[in-house]
Amino acid sequence: DVKVTQSSRYLVKRTGEKVFLECVQDMDHENMFWYRQDPGLGLRLIYFSYDVKMKEKGDIPEGYSVSREKKERFSLILESASTNQTSMYLCASSPSQVTHSNQPQHFGDGTRLSIL
Amino acid sequence: GNSVTQMEGPVTLSEEAFLTINCTYTATGYPSLFWYVQYPGEGLQLLLKATKADDKGSNKGFEATYRKETTSFHLEKGSVQVSDSAVYFCALRNSPGYSTLTFGKGTMLLVSP
Repeated sequence: DVKVTQSSRYLVKRTGEKVFLECVQDMDHENMFWYRQDPGLGLRLIYFSYDVKMKEKGDIPEGYSVSREKKERFSLILESASTNQTSMYLCASSPSQVTHSNQPQHFGDGTRLSIL
Repeated sequence: GNSVTQMEGPVTLSEEAFLTINCTYTATGYPSLFWYVQYPGEGLQLLLKATKADDKGSNKGFEATYRKETTSFHLEKGSVQVSDSAVYFCALRNSPGYSTLTFGKGTMLLVSP
């Protein structure tokens, strides 16, 4: 089974801190994704990556950056955390859709981040 | 652009009742359609999918049929269980080679004994 592991289930940080959320997948997937989930808004894509060192902005990239130095690891960075970034963050991975058409995304269990 | 609209929840049902969660979409191209489920405290997992018009996806007693004429992909189950209580997300992928998904806002289902 595919496993997507997010480093923390719960995280509390202060306004202005630099925050790192880590995600690791064990299935050699090309694609990795970061979403945030908020009540009434569903899932919104922040960034995704289709290869090592490659990244693409999603729908709401402002205030975030990402890093993908190794294929299995995709990090989300809040450069200067703000209270409006309090949310549930979900990481996902999938194989390349070019070679594995319509294969699903596999999700981690999420990190609930609170910014005080 | 692409969008997915789901019925607002929560949907509250008694055990063994019939379930329908409505999902309609707007997309360019020839989208593939998915239902994901999120159990409390967990991430999303794929429930079922359909990749072309008139396809029916099914899993764990749930079914959904890809209706191109009505741009819909409604989720149904004949007899729900308490363990089906979760949030259900409808999603589309715009074309087979496309990496990203567009999600609906999710519908919470609460099933009571």
